[in-house]
Amino acid sequence: NAGVTQTPKFQVLKTGQSMTLQCAQDMNHEYMSWYRQDPGMGLRLIHYSVGAGITDQGEVPNGYNVSRSTTEDFPLRLLSAAPSQTSVYFCASSYSKGVDSPLHFGNGTRLTVT
Amino acid sequence: QQQVKQSPQSLIVQKGGISIINCAYENTAFDYFPWYQQFPGKGPALLIAIRPDVSEKKEGRFTISFNKSAKQFSLHIMDSQPGDSATYFCAVPDMRFGAGTRLTVKP
Repeated sequence: NAGVTQTPKFQVLKTGQSMTLQCAQDMNHEYMSWYRQDPGMGLRLIHYSVGAGITDQGEVPNGYNVSRSTTEDFPLRLLSAAPSQTSVYFCASSYSKGVDSPLHFGNGTRLTVT
Repeated sequence: QQQVKQSPQSLIVQKGGISIINCAYENTAFDYFPWYQQFPGKGPALLIAIRPDVSEKKEGRFTISFNKSAKQFSLHIMDSQPGDSATYFCAVPDMRFGAGTRLTVKP
């Protein structure tokens, strides 16, 4: 049972480049989300999805796009990378959004934008 | 808006000591308060969680204390061990997290 799988583990981009961070889960979870982790800032919610075909914005959505065509996959797209997007990105999934439904996290993608 | 305020940012404790991390929240409608533990290079993982109908929940050396009137909840780690050295996050049901506490337990 793989849980939540994120690829790649590391990525270096130049300013203005685009890329997609991949996230897949095999637990049949309806809820999936993307976070970025920066020192002293904790985990900040970028986008989330409550099921296939449904996405919504979190706290820091600017510069990122998401789509949810299947229950298993929830890719995060950086449209035009900026140095401010240098961060560690985590994908998470849970059975539902809220009570008694803990988040299961992947091991992250460390992104550097030069 | 900051939904969850966590303190301290960092904490150093001697082996065998008690580690205490605090969180304050704003929304009185919240009904689930989890704590996550994160080791370097890994994603966070659920450590322990509490619902507001109880004031305390204990799992091994880890205890959550909940104060509904003060809108605060705390994580207590008894008999802290070097293996507990990690970053700890509190969270609330709308998937917002505190800023994290880096715990170092010295042998």
